[in-house]
Amino acid sequence: NAGVMQNPRHLVRRRGQEARLRCSPMKGHSHVYWYRQLPEEGLKFMVYLQKENIIDESGMPKERFSAEFPKEGPSILRIQQVVRGDSAAYFCASSPGARDTEAFFGQGTRLTVV
Amino acid sequence: DAKTTQPNSMESNEEEPVHLPCNHSTISGTDYIHWYRQLPSQGPEYVIHGLTSNVNNRMASLAIAEDRKSSTLILHRATLRDAAVYYCIRISGNTGKLIFGQGTTLQVKP
Repeated sequence: NAGVMQNPRHLVRRRGQEARLRCSPMKGHSHVYWYRQLPEEGLKFMVYLQKENIIDESGMPKERFSAEFPKEGPSILRIQQVVRGDSAAYFCASSPGARDTEAFFGQGTRLTVV
Repeated sequence: DAKTTQPNSMESNEEEPVHLPCNHSTISGTDYIHWYRQLPSQGPEYVIHGLTSNVNNRMASLAIAEDRKSSTLILHRATLRDAAVYYCIRISGNTGKLIFGQGTTLQVKP
């Protein structure tokens, strides 16, 4: 059973471009979470999704950021018109259930905006 | 708001036990306590979780105080590979959302 797969591992974008980050959860997992880690800082929750539904997006910036988890295919975190402050590591996690189960994290996508 | 309090850093010698404390004095009766760790340049890794009783697994033990206001993660024999940031997390509600605090940076000396 492959772990949580994130791609790309590294992504370089110029200011103003779009960044699309992909996350394939572990097989059988229907809960997906996205986190952001700025350089030298802790992990910040962004969004929690189940298949075709956004459950909690309280950590998502109001503009330029969106997330989806379609019925088929990976979860996508999309950042439009990237700025230098978006440079960070973005981690995806999946779990089979909720608070009494463990979450499995991917290796992250390191976004650099130049 | 992480709602947990941990020391910023701790040191240990290799092959010795390590006790990482965590305070969660406002915990409610249905909140789970989870521990994760993050090694340099990697994603977080699950360590252990519990509700009321002490828990053991192949990685560590979790000792939960009787009043549940604090807990301790125990690494029985620290290795150099255990050097990481350890996060104690309270999970409320049904979402499974993890709210990370600053964690405890564990250094292991040979």
